[in-house]
Amino acid sequence: NAGVMQNPRHLVRRRGQEARLRCSPMKGHSHVYWYRQLPEEGLKFMVYLQKENIIDESGMPKERFSAEFPKEGPSILRIQQVVRGDSAAYFCASSQGMGLSEQYFGPGTRLTVT
Amino acid sequence: AQTVTQSQPEMSVQEAETVTLSCTYDTSESDYYLFWYKQPPSRQMILVIRQEAYKQQNATENRFSVNFQKAAKSFSLKISDSQLGDAAMYFCAYESGSSGGSNYKLTFGKGTLLTVNP
Repeated sequence: NAGVMQNPRHLVRRRGQEARLRCSPMKGHSHVYWYRQLPEEGLKFMVYLQKENIIDESGMPKERFSAEFPKEGPSILRIQQVVRGDSAAYFCASSQGMGLSEQYFGPGTRLTVT
Repeated sequence: AQTVTQSQPEMSVQEAETVTLSCTYDTSESDYYLFWYKQPPSRQMILVIRQEAYKQQNATENRFSVNFQKAAKSFSLKISDSQLGDAAMYFCAYESGSSGGSNYKLTFGKGTLLTVNP
C-alpha cells in the first residue's frame, strides 16, 4: 500500500517564477493537509482540503499561495512569483477522516529559491 | 492559540542508554491529543507515539514511552536502549480534540536533535 507521494522531492526556482508542488494521498484518504517547515523550525500548518473543497486555509499567506484538491488527481500547492523567503520544505499529509484520524506524511518537497 | 515548546535544541545519548526529551504545551482545552514525531535525515515524518489527554495511562510503544503530566502540561518522551537508528530530529505536536475546533491541525514544537553515540 503506497504511502503519501509528493513530487518533486527537490525543486529549484528563480525569484519570480512559479512553483507547483504535488501530493497524492494514501489510497482511501480524502483529507489532505499541507505544512511548511522553515529552516530550524517545526512544521507549520498551511491548509486543509477535502476533495474539491478548501476547509481551512488559515495558515496560508494571503498572497501568491493557493491550494487545490480536485476530484481527480493530486492536490497541488501553487506558489506564484516565488521569493527567497519561500525556500522551505513543504510537507503533505493525508488522513482517512478528520479529527482523531492519524495524519500520514509524505517525504516533503524541498523548495529552493535562487 | 495553542503553543508547543521544546526547550532542548539538542540532546545526545550513548548507544543502549536511556534519554528523555522534554515538551511542554499551553492550551485552555481539556480534550486534545499529543504526539511525538521523528524526522531522520531523509526528512520523512514518522509518528513515534500518541497520547490522548483523557487517558491517564502513559502511552508506550516498544522502547518509546511518554510521561504525560496533564496538570503541568508536560509531555516528555523516553527512549530506552537507544539505537543508532534513533538519531533524528524529534518533534512534539498538539492536536485539538474539540469537534468544534480545529481538530485536524497539528501544532509542532521546534524540535530536538538527538545524536546517538556508539
